[in-house]
Formats: sequence, structure tokens, C-alpha cells
Amino acid sequence: GIQVEQSPPDLILQEGANSTLRCNFSDSVNNLQWFHQNPWGQLINLFYIPSGTKQNGRLSATTVATERYSLLYISSSQTTDSGVYFCAVKRSSGSRLTFGEGTQLTVNP
Amino acid sequence: DAGVIQSPRHEVTEMGQEVTLRCKPISGHNSLFWYRQTMMRGLELLIYFNNNVPIDDSGMPEDRFSAKMPNASFSTLKIQPSEPRDSAVYFCASSPWTSITDTQYFGPGTRLTVL
Repeated sequence: GIQVEQSPPDLILQEGANSTLRCNFSDSVNNLQWFHQNPWGQLINLFYIPSGTKQNGRLSATTVATERYSLLYISSSQTTDSGVYFCAVKRSSGSRLTFGEGTQLTVNP
Repeated sequence: DAGVIQSPRHEVTEMGQEVTLRCKPISGHNSLFWYRQTMMRGLELLIYFNNNVPIDDSGMPEDRFSAKMPNASFSTLKIQPSEPRDSAVYFCASSPWTSITDTQYFGPGTRLTVL
């Protein structure tokens, strides 16, 4: 099956700092999503971004499908950004969403 | 919209007992997914339905697990008999699954503990 690798596995920031999370995938995809799992366990969809760039407030994402990677940018981080960020992809010929192992982000005040 | 609704939120049971988890998808969504999350294996897709029909159940771990979707607004995941290794958080998600977007929306999860 498709391999999804996220980096870094852990990231610790001071409030106000910027960060970039990366997702590499091993096959062509027609679906890529970024999720945030907050410390209470809730999974929230951040972006549906199989290609191109999107922005939502302090968060933005870019997917370069031809090079098989996606980046999630968090600017001016806040303590509420803490949690695990997952990248999930679906192969162009497949039907199931495969999740990476996530990046654990901790934002300290 | 209330979002995806799951019940119960927490379940503690003893090994050998039957467990039934319930999910109500977002109204109008035609795809429903059951996931399991553990520390060891991360997020795994167990089964998904499209228009109430099971499409891919290859993630269901074994015959002890079964899932049904009798109508567009309700699905169950049943474990019988339950075992301690089934302890995990079980998420239900739904999606409109159009050609434009396939965004999945997750419920709050059911934390299952099998003693």
C-alpha cells in the first residue's frame, strides 16, 4: 500500500513561533487531507488539498502532487495549536484514506 | 448541523462481552467510515460504506468485528466477543464524497476498554 511519512515526529515551539510540517507520500494521490487531533482526542479536518495552496487564518497548506509531498504551515503559533497533526492520502487508484503517524506539536506559553 | 454523533463516548466491558458502538453521520453525507486508533498502530480504517453499502471491509481485524448501516442515518460496529486487545478509540467519520471534495468529518470517538 501507499506509504505516508510525516516529519518531524515531535515539535516543541514557543508561542508566536512559526513552523512547517511535512508529509511525503509514495504514490500518486487524488486526495490529501490534513487533520488536527486536539489534546481531547477530537479529529478536525483542516484542509482538503490534493494539489495547490490553501490558506485558513494562521494555517496554510501546499501540496506538490508531482513531487509527492505536502506542507502545513502554522504561523504565530498559539497554545491551542498543540496536538497531533495528521496527513492522510488516498491513492488515485485506491479507495481508502491512509494516515501518516502524525506530528506531535507542543506550543508552550 | 450537529456533526457526526457517536455513542457511547466511553465503554468499559469485560472480556467476552458483546460491544455495540453507534454512529449517526452528518445529514446528507453518503459515505461513512469506521476507524480505530491505538498507540501501537495509529489510525486504521476498519470499514467504509457508500450509500449504505459496505465497499471495503478489508481493515476489519477478524470475524469478531461486524458493521452494519441499515439506513443513511445510522451505523453500528459490533464486537463479539470482545478481547482486551480491542481496547482503543473508535472513530466514525462521514463524507459527502462528491467529485469535488471528499473531506471526512470525524465524530468525537468512543473510548473502549476491555478488561
